[in-house]
Amino acid sequence: GQNIDQPTEMTATEGAIVQINCTYQTSGFNGLFWYQQHAGEAPTFLSYNVLDGLEEKGRFSSFLSRSKGYSYLLLKELQMKDSASYLCAVSRYNDMRFGAGTRLTVKP
Amino acid sequence: KAGVTQTPRYLIKTRGQQVTLSCSPISGHRSVSWYQQTPGQGLQFLFEYFSETQRNKGNFPGRFSGRQFSNSRSEMNVSTLELGDSALYLCASSSGADARSDTQYFGPGTRLTVL
Repeated sequence: GQNIDQPTEMTATEGAIVQINCTYQTSGFNGLFWYQQHAGEAPTFLSYNVLDGLEEKGRFSSFLSRSKGYSYLLLKELQMKDSASYLCAVSRYNDMRFGAGTRLTVKP
Repeated sequence: KAGVTQTPRYLIKTRGQQVTLSCSPISGHRSVSWYQQTPGQGLQFLFEYFSETQRNKGNFPGRFSGRQFSNSRSEMNVSTLELGDSALYLCASSSGADARSDTQYFGPGTRLTVL
């Protein structure tokens, strides 16, 4: 089948580190995107992984293992403004498939 | 640079009607993709256009159609509206020819409510 799974909700404390996992089963895999979406707003790009390994960009890092069908988004030094939904999206040869999103709540 | 714009932002229709949504990509972007977002299904891919050609289409019925104009602006049309078509319709543009490997910039969406 074609599945993209990520946890529905997560809660973390300001200043902490949180890891949001995404597992996928799909054919025609091209790459994997992470987007952030604040409530009532459009998704905004965070990262894109094509090759295995870790991509670091400031407080955000994303990891991909193509052989395991697994990715994670790591958020460090959490801030209140990081409270949002995080969408994992698999780019395939002929379309894009999004996970349902993980709603992250950052508490003081 | 102005971002992706979508009009209208909100729309209320009744079952059986048809609707046309418009998207203007970021200046210079030639790829436009459309998505439907609902609480239950999340973001689902509708179409991808590049240079006035539909490159890919998602798994939606034929009531959903779209087109792209020579200035890269795009429209999508939904005919014979059903209650289940109530959703946020998002348009995204990207600069390259392959929207599936480029960063996509999303517009604010059109919130369609079907009564």
